Amino acid sequence: AQSVTQPDIHITVSEGASLELRCNYSYGATPYLFWYVQSPGQGLQLLLKYFSGDTLVQGIKGFEAEFKRSQSSFNLRKPSVHWSDAAEYFCAVGETSYDKVIFGPGTSLSVIP
Amino acid sequence: NAGVTQTPKFQVLKTGQSMTLQCAQDMNHNSMYWYRQDPGMGLRLIYYSASEGTTDKGEVPNGYNVSRLNKREFSLRLESAAPSQTSVYFCASHAGNNQPQHFGDGTRLSIL
Repeated sequence: AQSVTQPDIHITVSEGASLELRCNYSYGATPYLFWYVQSPGQGLQLLLKYFSGDTLVQGIKGFEAEFKRSQSSFNLRKPSVHWSDAAEYFCAVGETSYDKVIFGPGTSLSVIP
Repeated sequence: NAGVTQTPKFQVLKTGQSMTLQCAQDMNHNSMYWYRQDPGMGLRLIYYSASEGTTDKGEVPNGYNVSRLNKREFSLRLESAAPSQTSVYFCASHAGNNQPQHFGDGTRLSIL
């Protein structure tokens, strides 16, 4: 069955520290992958996407993610976290042959000033 | 530049009442989706519509019906609301395969 896991429910980091949010997926065919961010009371905003090509993708707000097919992972990273990055982060996966996108359960990020 | 518009933004219902959540997009997208978001469970797909005139069930369709009225509009109906349907509902659309979804701001629904 298709699934997306985000092993960390909640992460707390200090401002200026580096960040890595984990995402693992189980999908039958070639996936396309997304990371979204949701601020409190808001909808979801796309951070970055991977369809093919270079496995390291750059997104908005200084985020990047690396697709590792052998590990079925698409981890999100940022070298230096800002207080405004505190939010909920969702990994999402879709298949090229289907129109559905499946979301992970989310990781809540808190930032200590 | 409206994008995806959901109405209403907030609603309180009593158990057994019915209600329709409205969603409209102005990006000429083929596909539209309804999700519900609950704490610790992320977004779960209720129904989706790959094109005008077609709808398909997602992960959690029970208790809901949908209508793809035209290319722009995709409504979600609760025929007999239950407290378990208290949630935040998001509508999304996208242009087709490999494209990211665009989300509305959500409808916060409480059922007493």
